[in-house]
Amino acid sequence: ILNVEQSPQSLHVQEGDSTNFTCSFPSSNFYALHWYRWETAKSPEALFVMTLNGDEKKKGRISATLNTKEGYSYLYIKGSQPEDSATYLCASRSYNTDKLIFGTGTRLQVFP
Amino acid sequence: DAMVIQNPRYQVTQFGKPVTLSCSQTLNHNVMYWYQQKSSQAPKLLFHYYDKDFNNEADTPDNFQSRRPNTSFCFLDIRSPGLGDAAMYLCATSRDGGRGGAVDTQYFGPGTRLTVL
Repeated sequence: ILNVEQSPQSLHVQEGDSTNFTCSFPSSNFYALHWYRWETAKSPEALFVMTLNGDEKKKGRISATLNTKEGYSYLYIKGSQPEDSATYLCASRSYNTDKLIFGTGTRLQVFP
Repeated sequence: DAMVIQNPRYQVTQFGKPVTLSCSQTLNHNVMYWYQQKSSQAPKLLFHYYDKDFNNEADTPDNFQSRRPNTSFCFLDIRSPGLGDAAMYLCATSRDGGRGGAVDTQYFGPGTRLTVL
């Protein structure tokens, strides 16, 4: 994988459903993986940054895992609420650069 | 609250008419970035400043320029906007871009949506 890829592109769920989506990134020279939440008309907000293989981070009902050997990260939302509706972006950074490479995002809509 | 502010939030310009987008920060961060995000695409880094040092991405068109007169402000100038330059422009800051060895988070403004008529 040369680029950062996210799937699915969009997701519609009912309030209370749990959901997860994927970020795939180049595993060679991996340094860090960032997750951002971007609500409409607001600034992208940093959720997590992860560096070590097997890292797990949690913030309320949202958690993320990291597999640096195979180059993927999962973001989980337990019991989705309408306020979770946003675009979730991931970005990867390699050792040889201070640049973040973003994916296209997963757009989540949670219906009451 | 410390933050990253972008003005204007929406900008309409005419084909070929120069436009300037503004970004300011109260975080006192060393690094300021400009990203372009076109519809359904990933945010793409155009350039960044580390303090006063300008770092241009190799594939950023010459039509795009930037100025950073002081720590707090950074401007994106589009000299002759084309229809293909219509996009969301995001400004971000970070403390040191990770150059100190630690992982560094980027803090974003809400973006300026540029329309070119």
